[in-house]
Amino acid sequence: AQSVTQLGSHVSVSEGALVLLRCNYSSSVPPYLFWYVQYPNQGLQLLLKYTSAATLVKGINGFEAEFKKSETSFHLTKPSAHMSDAAEYFCAVSEGGGYNKLIFGAGTRLAVHP
Amino acid sequence: EAGVTQSPTHLIKTRGQQVTLRCSPISGHTSVYWYQQALGLGLQFLLWYDEGEERNRGNFPPRFSGRQFPNYSSELNVNALELEDSALYLCASSLGTEPTDTQYFGPGTRLTVL
Repeated sequence: AQSVTQLGSHVSVSEGALVLLRCNYSSSVPPYLFWYVQYPNQGLQLLLKYTSAATLVKGINGFEAEFKKSETSFHLTKPSAHMSDAAEYFCAVSEGGGYNKLIFGAGTRLAVHP
Repeated sequence: EAGVTQSPTHLIKTRGQQVTLRCSPISGHTSVYWYQQALGLGLQFLLWYDEGEERNRGNFPPRFSGRQFPNYSSELNVNALELEDSALYLCASSLGTEPTDTQYFGPGTRLTVL
């Protein structure tokens, strides 16, 4: 069975600092991986996705993630945090085989302080 | 282009009652997904409909059911409400049925069961 683990339920950074949100997956088949962001009282917005093309994926709002098969990781980074990045971030793996459900990690709440 | 819409925004029910939540997908999208986001349980897949058919179901009891209409909108019905059904219910839609297809989420319906 596929699963996703996000290390760190809360991450706090200073404005302008590097953002690193960790995601590790477990999958017996090549995974399809997603990062979503959720702002307070809103739904989920896709940041980026990995679909077995380039291992370095660039997304919206300056975020990017690198797929590392050897480490079973798909960490999300942003070189310089902005106050508006404060939100909850979810890593997800798509269960293939015709089932299409997204299996989400527990989420990481990012706080950005001045 | 309008995104995924859900109604109502908020709902308060008492234990044992029944509730219906509604979702309209992005124009042209034929697949609709339902997820539950409950405190402490994270985001869990409920149901997937495509072209009017139920394609996949998560690990939820039968009192959770739904349907998809010819215009691709969808309803989620929950019978015999229990306190633990209190959650944010998110609907998503996708253009295709591949596991790599992006699921676009609506703002959710917050259900409170008293």
